[in-house]
Amino acid sequence: QKEVEQNSGPLSVPEGAIASLNCTYSDRGSQSFFWYRQYSGKSPELIMFIYSNGDKEDGRFTAQLNKASQYVSLLIRDSQPSDSATYLCAVNEDNQFYFGTGTSLTVIP
Amino acid sequence: ETGVTQTPRHLVMGMTNKKSLKCEQHLGHNAMYWYKQSAKKPLELMFVYNFKEQTENNSVPSRFSPECPNSSHLFLHLHTLQPEDSALYLCASSPTGFGEQFFGPGTRLTVL
Repeated sequence: QKEVEQNSGPLSVPEGAIASLNCTYSDRGSQSFFWYRQYSGKSPELIMFIYSNGDKEDGRFTAQLNKASQYVSLLIRDSQPSDSATYLCAVNEDNQFYFGTGTSLTVIP
Repeated sequence: ETGVTQTPRHLVMGMTNKKSLKCEQHLGHNAMYWYKQSAKKPLELMFVYNFKEQTENNSVPSRFSPECPNSSHLFLHLHTLQPEDSALYLCASSPTGFGEQFFGPGTRLTVL
């Protein structure tokens, strides 16, 4: 059974701080990695994807991938109250997508 | 709002009813997916279609029956469901079968 593990939280950070979200996965064959944000009562929306080891930056978001250690993380700089949501990690292997249960983030004004 | 639409947004049905969920994507994508999202559980991939062909069926009970008449439309036919099937059903599309997915707003299903 392939697993994607996330700390369910809740994670609370003050406004303007860096929020760090982590995800580990069980299968070394995983090929691509995704972060989604899901507001309460809404569907997931894609934030970032990463395929290669290292960092990938997009605005206030940075995804970090370490295949050797089988983890992927998401950093949110200058956190805003509007970033308060559940963040889902997903991995893809051979056309199968596996999701974690999500980490709940609260940004405190 | 995304380029993936789903109808209905809410559905209440009895265990003996037959109903269908509809998904439509306006993004020109080639892959479409059905997911089930239950409280406190990860998103569960149910079905995958690539170029209208079903490529994955993750041991989903036969009371769920997908249909993909073309690459823009996806249906999920429901019959004789159980109360534990109550969940949010999400449709997603992707340019390919390996890349980023774009989700529709979901159908909140309640089975009485």
